[in-house]
Parts: sequence; C-alpha cells; structure tokens
Amino acid sequence: DQQVKQNSPSLSVQEGRISILNCDYTNSMFDYFLWYKKYPAEGPTFLISISSIKDKNEDGRFTVFLNKSAKHLSLHIVPSQPGDSAVYFCAASGTDSWGKLQFGAGTQVVVTP
Amino acid sequence: EPEVTQTPSHQVTQMGQEVILRCVPISNHLYFYWYRQILGQKVEFLVSFYNNEISEKSEIFDDQFSVERPDGSNFTLKIRSTKLEDSAMYFCASSEARGSGDTQYFGPGTRLTVL
Repeated sequence: DQQVKQNSPSLSVQEGRISILNCDYTNSMFDYFLWYKKYPAEGPTFLISISSIKDKNEDGRFTVFLNKSAKHLSLHIVPSQPGDSAVYFCAASGTDSWGKLQFGAGTQVVVTP
Repeated sequence: EPEVTQTPSHQVTQMGQEVILRCVPISNHLYFYWYRQILGQKVEFLVSFYNNEISEKSEIFDDQFSVERPDGSNFTLKIRSTKLEDSAMYFCASSEARGSGDTQYFGPGTRLTVL
C-alpha cells in the first residue's frame, strides 16, 4: 500500500547548494502534507507542512511546493548545511483517515563540504 | 519547548513475554498515536487514541496490542506476547487535534528487540 512514494533513496549535495527532495502520492483524499527530518536513533522531527489549499509554504531555508494535479510535492532546502544531513520523510494525511499519517520511504541527504 | 518523551529507549525481551512501552505526550495535546519502523522499512501507523478510546487502528494492531492512558500524562502501548517480528523502533506522537492539518510531534522512540 504505497500511497506515498519517495523514489530517491539518497541525495548528495554540496554545502551551500540547493537540496530538492521529491515525493509523489496516489490518494486524492490527502489534503495535508508534512516533511519530517530524522537522525539515526532519534524520532522524526517536524520540519514544514502544507495544506492542499496552498501550493507553496516557506519557513526559513525550507520551502515546500505542492502540485495537486500531478500529486507531487517537493522540499527545497537552500542553502544546504552540514547539519541537514539526515533522512527526510514525506508524510500525508487525508479526510478519509484523519490523523493517520502515511509515510514515504525516506531520502537520505548527505551534505558535503 | 514541549516535547514527547518515551521510555525506555531500548527494551530487550524474550519472545512470548509482555512489554509495555511508555510515552508522555505534549501536555496540551489531546490526540495520541503509536507508529513503528522495522529496520529498513517505512514508518507505519499503528493506532490513534482520543478521549480514552481508540480512534483508528491499522491491520498490524491486532489483539496482541493494546493502548491505555492510565493517568493524565502517560500513554502506553502493551504487546502481550511478543514475537520476533515485533522487533522495531516504536514511536509515540501527539497532536493538538485530529483534523487533517494538525501536526503530529514524535518522541525519540523505543527500540524493541525480541530475542
């Protein structure tokens, strides 16, 4: 049941450059999308979210873009910093199952000096 | 900043034994959740809980699992008779409300190892 997909298991980016993480979903009932960051042996840490009524949400270095027609969202991190090296999860919830988050498989980001 | 806490950080148990994983959600939150992540796999929803009742549960959450809010602060997940395949990271989460649009905040997790 892969309703949320992150097709890139890993991403390597140079410090100072932009990181772009992608996420696709299949459930048209999803109306809230979140990005979490996770370090090893820690829980997911909330980064940024977007409601389906918007197409962009920005918070500091993090911007999430939502393309509803394509059922696609992306997270932009600019500029990337070494501390951004972590696994990033896309998650979604919808009106058919409020509160139940569906997670993607995650993308391992490595920021190199 | 308020945070979700979980104890223990690591629990080792023998197959067939009962385990209780504990969580203290953020104090003004009303909705509580358990998720798990088996090594190398996705984070999976187990159960949501509100007003002393299960709101929703996944097919993983069978009769071996139960949740309880025994007092005003703790939220527990009990596995009655652990199996090898229950080995995973278990994450507790909480949110202010349950509507789509309410952010869930996660605890650091409990690593459960079943031998």
